[in-house]
Amino acid sequence: DTEVTQTPKHLVMGMTNKKSLKCEQHMGHRAMYWYKQKAKKPPELMFVYSYEKLSINESVPSRFSPECPNSSLLNLHLHALQPEDSALYLCASSQERAGVVQYFGPGTRLLVL
Amino acid sequence: GNSVTQMEGPVTLSEEAFLTINCTYTATGYPSLFWYVQYPGEGLQLLLKATKADDKGSNKGFEATYRKETTSFHLEKGSVQVSDSAVYFCALSETSGSARQLTFGSGTQLTVLP
Repeated sequence: DTEVTQTPKHLVMGMTNKKSLKCEQHMGHRAMYWYKQKAKKPPELMFVYSYEKLSINESVPSRFSPECPNSSLLNLHLHALQPEDSALYLCASSQERAGVVQYFGPGTRLLVL
Repeated sequence: GNSVTQMEGPVTLSEEAFLTINCTYTATGYPSLFWYVQYPGEGLQLLLKATKADDKGSNKGFEATYRKETTSFHLEKGSVQVSDSAVYFCALSETSGSARQLTFGSGTQLTVLP
């Protein structure tokens, strides 16, 4: 099983709302990732968690707040977003070592009004 | 730093045509190389991978060979189908150290016409 699941599939929110994106994997992977993808562009790395600890934050604004409550779950809390934050948010997971395959979820398509 | 340069798209082919999407890379070490495919409205799926020089990755009729001497990992398929229409991303990942980032190319949009 190489499945990464993400909920919700679509999300529309206003600039004053608070919402959360959820990602789950049951492959025993200890590295998990959040990416942001704009239309017709490659994914951009936002955060990396390694053994449930934040190891990489690619200078992401504080209105995005990641959380890794356990080794299977990854959340992205959203607050006071801007319209330019509208994008596809992808979660991925991998074994915790360099050079391995990252497995992606289907993404959450976010629209900020 | 690492970088991936990918053939500019979009690419439009007729069904059963031969496909090549060029990918070259720059890396400080000996990276692992990947091709991911993204169908409309979906996430990225691993298409194939190669972890060392001269390795050939293959899947669903697609192939790519890790060429260290030319720092390339070109994607090929002998006969494309309409269902292959998607965006294809070449990517690399370092094989040592603490870095976990994937470095992506810009993506190539492929459209296959019946």
